[in-house]
Amino acid sequence: NAGVTQTPKFQVLKTGQSMTLQCAQDMNHNSMYWYRQDPGMGLRLIYYSASEGTTDKGEVPNGYNVSRLNKREFSLRLESAAPSQTSVYFCASRPGLAGSSYEQYFGPGTRLTVT
Amino acid sequence: AQTVTQSQPEMSVQEAETVTLSCTYDTSESNYYLFWYKQPPSRQMILVIRQEAYKQQNATENRFSVNFQKAAKSFSLKISDSQLGDTAMYFCAFMKPGRSQGGKLIFGQGTELSVKP
Repeated sequence: NAGVTQTPKFQVLKTGQSMTLQCAQDMNHNSMYWYRQDPGMGLRLIYYSASEGTTDKGEVPNGYNVSRLNKREFSLRLESAAPSQTSVYFCASRPGLAGSSYEQYFGPGTRLTVT
Repeated sequence: AQTVTQSQPEMSVQEAETVTLSCTYDTSESNYYLFWYKQPPSRQMILVIRQEAYKQQNATENRFSVNFQKAAKSFSLKISDSQLGDTAMYFCAFMKPGRSQGGKLIFGQGTELSVKP
């Protein structure tokens, strides 16, 4: 099991460029999440998908879109990157079943720099 | 809205000693989950310990234990016999259970722990 994988690991964008961060999990989890991590602010939820076919906004959704492509994959898109989106992005998943442990499993992160 | 506060941005401890990291949270809920995650320099997020609010007994995982004070809304992490490999950023997190909540985690700001030889 690879767990949660993210691509790319590093990316540098110019202001106004677009890109998609990819996330996949092989644990047959129902729920998936995108967080961003900034110094002194912990991790903040951008968007989540409680189950295949649904997506919802988190705490900081502005400037982002998501797609739950299938049960395994959950992508995050920046349509027009801004320097304020410079951050480390984490994808996570959890079983999402009644009675499960509620633990989230995290990917290795993507460090994104917007110049 | 729920909030989680870690008031110690940085801490250090000598190898083999004990250290306690603080976390407080604000919620009006009675049923919830609390977590401590560890983020070493590799950046990988690793679950350290979990506490269900309905359980009075404090959770323990080997050298890691919590002091859960529900009335005070406090959830501190104690690391005993600190090891160099414990050097990491530690995050406290809160979750409201239930289908409508989506399993979202609310994180504190983090405490950077250095274990010195």
